[in-house]
Amino acid sequence: KNQVEQSPQSLIILEGKNCTLQCNYTVSPFSNLRWYKQDTGRGPVSLTIMTFSENTKSNGRYTATLDADTKQSSLHITASQLSDSASYICVVSRNDYKLSFGAGTTVTVRA
Amino acid sequence: EPEVTQTPSHQVTQMGQEVILRCVPISNHLYFYWYRQILGQKVEFLVSFYNNEISEKSEIFDDQFSVERPDGSNFTLKIRSTKLEDSAMYFCASTGWDSYNEQFFGPGTRLTVL
Repeated sequence: KNQVEQSPQSLIILEGKNCTLQCNYTVSPFSNLRWYKQDTGRGPVSLTIMTFSENTKSNGRYTATLDADTKQSSLHITASQLSDSASYICVVSRNDYKLSFGAGTTVTVRA
Repeated sequence: EPEVTQTPSHQVTQMGQEVILRCVPISNHLYFYWYRQILGQKVEFLVSFYNNEISEKSEIFDDQFSVERPDGSNFTLKIRSTKLEDSAMYFCASTGWDSYNEQFFGPGTRLTVL
């Protein structure tokens, strides 16, 4: 079954600290993996997209990694800011373009 | 920068009523999608649309749902007879031709069925 599991479900960090979110998937055949940021009541916004040949990709303070062999990905947030408070969703795309969504990790950054 | 837009931002309706949610995809995009997200749950795929017809739909997209591209810009989702469990955020997305098939999401319409 094509599944995307994210952990932790939620986390709270202090402003300026780093955090890492995890994503494990069983989606096949794999095409690419995306991380989205979703602010409360808003649509998901793409942070990074990686194919199986890409191990890491950065977008500002966000760095995503991908291990296609173990089917794991992580999203690292460096020097968190209050505006980073959001839900971060891992989405895996199959070769037929169908997307499988994770449940998301809710990040709360506190001053 | 081009973006997907959706109207209305919030729709309140009575159970059994019909609603139409509207989306304007990015102008040169060819594939269009509707998703929904029930409060506190994950985003769920409803339907994809290409070349003026449905290319794929999920089990959620039953006979109560329909989609239409009435002109060159709008993409609509109609729910014929709303149920309480239709209350959710509905997101439209579109994609053009790129190696990643990246989908760009609209801001969503919050549908509340009373």
